[in-house]
Amino acid sequence: EVQLVESGGDLVKPGGSLRLSCAASGFSFSNAFMNWVRQAPGKGLEWVGRIKSKTDGETTDYVAAVKGRFSISRDDSKNTVYLQMNSLKTEDTGVYYCSTDGYWGQGTLVTVSS
Amino acid sequence: DIVMTQSPDSLAVSLGERATIKCKSSQSLFHSSTNKNYLAWYHQKPGQPPKLLFYWASTRESGVPDRFSGSGSGTDFTLTINSLQAGDVAVFYCQQYYSPPYTFGQGTKLEIK
Repeated sequence: EVQLVESGGDLVKPGGSLRLSCAASGFSFSNAFMNWVRQAPGKGLEWVGRIKSKTDGETTDYVAAVKGRFSISRDDSKNTVYLQMNSLKTEDTGVYYCSTDGYWGQGTLVTVSS
Repeated sequence: DIVMTQSPDSLAVSLGERATIKCKSSQSLFHSSTNKNYLAWYHQKPGQPPKLLFYWASTRESGVPDRFSGSGSGTDFTLTINSLQAGDVAVFYCQQYYSPPYTFGQGTKLEIK
């Protein structure tokens, strides 16, 4: 059974940093492209970024709103993908999901507020 | 970036009737090398993560009832739900995965009339 479990969400002040983790199991993680998607309170879904597999160069892509502030990395030995978030803004508040191949985690809440 | 526009933003349909949701992309999602449309449909119920309904525009995910159908090609796509049931109430999203950023539509809220 595919499982994706996000963690690391917290309350952080504007300008602060946070690292989210997504622990995966039940599939071949090393071959998977992993996505991060977020959802602001009461709003729709926004794709944040993606990291390809190592064999595909671990290439990353991001939505413009987070480019230069967020970075995605992966540790295939731990079946975990990370989202490093720097220079956080209030508009980054929301639930952050990791997803792959149609599977989603339950999400972790990030609140950016002073 | 590819802009995804859904219509309507919300709709109310009677139990047992048909619901139709449209999704339009600002550029074609059809890739001639694979002969596929890079479009997915999701629904999301309150407090839950999105659930995949269709990929490649019309390939039904395992476990999705055949009352649900996905169609369309190029820039125009449709999600149809026949014989609406109370449990179908949700917000529905289309998403393109043709080129990053993999944008979503704004969502369509489906309610029971």
